[in-house]
Amino acid sequence: QQQVKQSPQSLIVQKGGISIINCAYENTAFDYFPWYQQFPGKGPALLIAIRPDVSEKKEGRFTISFNKSAKQFSLHIMDSQPGDSATYFCAASIRRGKLIFGQGTELSVKP
Amino acid sequence: DVKVTQSSRYLVKRTGEKVFLECVQDMDHENMFWYRQDPGLGLRLIYFSYDVKMKEKGDIPEGYSVSREKKERFSLILESASTNQTSMYLCASTAGGRLNTEAFFGQGTRLTVV
Repeated sequence: QQQVKQSPQSLIVQKGGISIINCAYENTAFDYFPWYQQFPGKGPALLIAIRPDVSEKKEGRFTISFNKSAKQFSLHIMDSQPGDSATYFCAASIRRGKLIFGQGTELSVKP
Repeated sequence: DVKVTQSSRYLVKRTGEKVFLECVQDMDHENMFWYRQDPGLGLRLIYFSYDVKMKEKGDIPEGYSVSREKKERFSLILESASTNQTSMYLCASTAGGRLNTEAFFGQGTRLTVV
């Protein structure tokens, strides 16, 4: 049973544009919402994470927006660069690192 | 530089073989996890462990078992490999404590069962 739904499956953005990936969750007990970035041949690596007591978190060009009432959160990549081309996973967790992942979004940033 | 190391990058095994995937972390983390990654399905949790000799089933444990004899090592075992277990397998670890913290992943093992 998939508890975190991610969209879109793939995304093509021009260099300098904004990439937006959305996730929705069902379980209101989740208390940690990370985003992971994965390059081909590598394991996922933490990009940015948020806890449900804040509505937005920004780190450089990456921003998480969190809507607790709608049970949705999204990743915004500003000024997207070809080096951002990767697969992005949202995730949610209740306890001790046990993560439930979304289906993944393959992002391609065209020069 | 923190590390989670998986013993093999690529493996090809025959149907019915017993397969061992090894994972070692050097961060003194309490928690370790095995996921499988399939296109369109994301990462799905197979088994996890919060302590030595302790294990819990994840969302898709059927056909798998695990072993954690030492804190730094977590092994995934396919008792009798089948073609539907062809996948990318990822090991991860996190520090202990009540709050969720960053999960560190290995580079993955791409297993093909023929």
